[in-house]
Amino acid sequence: DADVTQTPRNRITKTGKRIMLECSQTKGHDRMYWYRQDPGLGLRLIYYSFDVKDINKGEISDGYSVSRQAQAKFSLSLESAIPNQTALYFCATSDWGGHGYTFGSGTRLTVV
Amino acid sequence: DAKTTQPNSMESNEEEPVHLPCNHSTISGTDYIHWYRQLPSQGPEYVIHGLTSNVNNRMASLAIAEDRKSSTLILHRATLRDAAVYYCILREGNNAGNMLTFGGGTRLMVKP
Repeated sequence: DADVTQTPRNRITKTGKRIMLECSQTKGHDRMYWYRQDPGLGLRLIYYSFDVKDINKGEISDGYSVSRQAQAKFSLSLESAIPNQTALYFCATSDWGGHGYTFGSGTRLTVV
Repeated sequence: DAKTTQPNSMESNEEEPVHLPCNHSTISGTDYIHWYRQLPSQGPEYVIHGLTSNVNNRMASLAIAEDRKSSTLILHRATLRDAAVYYCILREGNNAGNMLTFGGGTRLMVKP
């Protein structure tokens, strides 16, 4: 099994729909992150969490929310999806030092 | 955040060494130099990181200039599987809250 598992791998949804992307990890790390990648570009940070009771906004949090249900689980929600949220979404974890992130395989989201 | 500058793309021949440069002229004394790579259709993968001294691991070597204003990721013997986008990232070390900020990276193409 992968250290960081993202579900679903691919999703097509309609404008205005609520959608949740899920992430679980078996690394035992406290820190978890959600990133977004647009075609040909680097990754941008959406939200991050240092432990179950800690949630922080990243560079591009507008239109997104997150939930840290447990140390191993970190979900990203789009309350009302819009087409410019079409992108590749990555979940990642790191230990406290933050020197080695482990990324999931990504969720490809298309909003039509 | 201190920025990095990398060439957009590089080519290499299979089984030859590859030197991927990164300039970071505004690096501060507490910034760590991280390298990640992203294979096609996958999430980024940690490669190596360092602060001042050169570093080696099973994947690559990191050569850091004496003034720390530049660094080079060295793949000793490129394989087709090394074709990826390579990201050079600075991460401030004293503040454990600082995140990885991805730029555009260098797309490495490996020719058989």
